[in-house]
Amino acid sequence: QKEVEQDPGPLSVPEGAIVSLNCTYSNSAFQYFMWYRQYSRKGPELLMYTYSSGNKEDGRFTAQVDKSSKYISLFIRDSQPSDSATYLCAMSPNTGGFKTIFGAGTRLFVKA
Amino acid sequence: NAGVTQTPKFQVLKTGQSMTLQCAQDMNHNSMYWYRQDPGMGLRLIYYSASEGTTDKGEVPNGYNVSRLNKREFSLRLESAAPSQTSVYFCASRAGGNSPLHFGNGTRLTVT
Repeated sequence: QKEVEQDPGPLSVPEGAIVSLNCTYSNSAFQYFMWYRQYSRKGPELLMYTYSSGNKEDGRFTAQVDKSSKYISLFIRDSQPSDSATYLCAMSPNTGGFKTIFGAGTRLFVKA
Repeated sequence: NAGVTQTPKFQVLKTGQSMTLQCAQDMNHNSMYWYRQDPGMGLRLIYYSASEGTTDKGEVPNGYNVSRLNKREFSLRLESAAPSQTSVYFCASRAGGNSPLHFGNGTRLTVT
């Protein structure tokens, strides 16, 4: 069983829809939670970075962490065609970046 | 501000050939990392360097060697390439503490 599970999709939505992307994990030691966006033939770019449980909002993006359920989510409001990309969740304990574990990524298509 | 720069962008090797992937960062980060990304597998850590002068194995180090040339540069070497090493290779860096990873745009390697 993988430490981090993420539905690979693809997920196809119309422009303007609310998108929900999710990951589950098994290691209760994870404290830092990240979402990366990866466009085709590019490197992952950091989108959201949160510590422990709770919500964090940045523009159209909201990250949620529920440590009791070992479940994290990324919501995208008013989705745009430019949001079409692969979204990777990542998480680490508080001991450094070499322990960062990535999900396999969910591919999102936003249709105009 | 270039961030993390990887060269080359693409490479095709024959089985048994050797090559070195180059990575440089201009963010004055202490730690640097090499990952490989394969479909359905997520990003897997090959080697990392927590600081200049140190290197350590990650999850999938077999068949690879690394050199932390200075604070800016971290290279990955394949001594005798195998078809199983066909992948996209990403270099990343981070400042330290629990700061997030910053990625380059990858090297796409095919071994025939």
